[in-house]
Amino acid sequence: QSALTQPASVSGSPGQSITISCTGTSSDVGAHNYVSWYQQHPGNAPKLMIFEVSNRPSGVPDRFSGSKSGNTASLTISGLQAEDEADYYCTSYTTSTLWVFGGGTELTVL
Amino acid sequence: EVQLVQSRAEVKKPGESLKISCQGSGYSFPYYWIAWVRQMPGKGLEWMGIIYPRDSTTRYTPSFQGQVTISADKSVSTVYLQWSSLKASDTAIYYCARQDGYGTYYFDFWGQGTLVTVSS
Repeated sequence: QSALTQPASVSGSPGQSITISCTGTSSDVGAHNYVSWYQQHPGNAPKLMIFEVSNRPSGVPDRFSGSKSGNTASLTISGLQAEDEADYYCTSYTTSTLWVFGGGTELTVL
Repeated sequence: EVQLVQSRAEVKKPGESLKISCQGSGYSFPYYWIAWVRQMPGKGLEWMGIIYPRDSTTRYTPSFQGQVTISADKSVSTVYLQWSSLKASDTAIYYCARQDGYGTYYFDFWGQGTLVTVSS
């Protein structure tokens, strides 16, 4: 199972909005709404930010939002803050091989 | 408070065996699937496999089938990841993560990670 495709890096200035895309296939992202997003700061474990495409766990700021169209899911962060600088990974349940991650996107807050 | 606490870092030689652990607390341990995730140095996350501690039902992703063994001991609320013969390419941080209940497909709590270094 190939990894989902994410941009290697994105950047934005404080207060701006950025969007990270996550492209899969009709066997994973496009098959159902089991897409989630994780934030990972250097040296730390991943943290769940979005589940089932667009739901936020308790405690995650509403600046973080998720969506999906066809085989591509997206994570949008509005009102960028310095602490948002991290790596972001999408993942999807697949119909054949459990879960698959995206390659990760490094977010730089300028 | 839900917690997953992993065993300490390990340094091993190629060919040696290893078993690392992930102990859950603060929730009904047997009834939540636990997955293992690999992160090689400077690289992204990779799913390895998942286990249901109540009956030890286990599933592996194709890349890791036959390469590792995942097991559980619900009496001590612990899941394990085991290698019979380590390779240098097994050097990585390994995370355990809890699937948030039946019918969900995301992972809400993660362990702190266990660094495994395999070097001669």
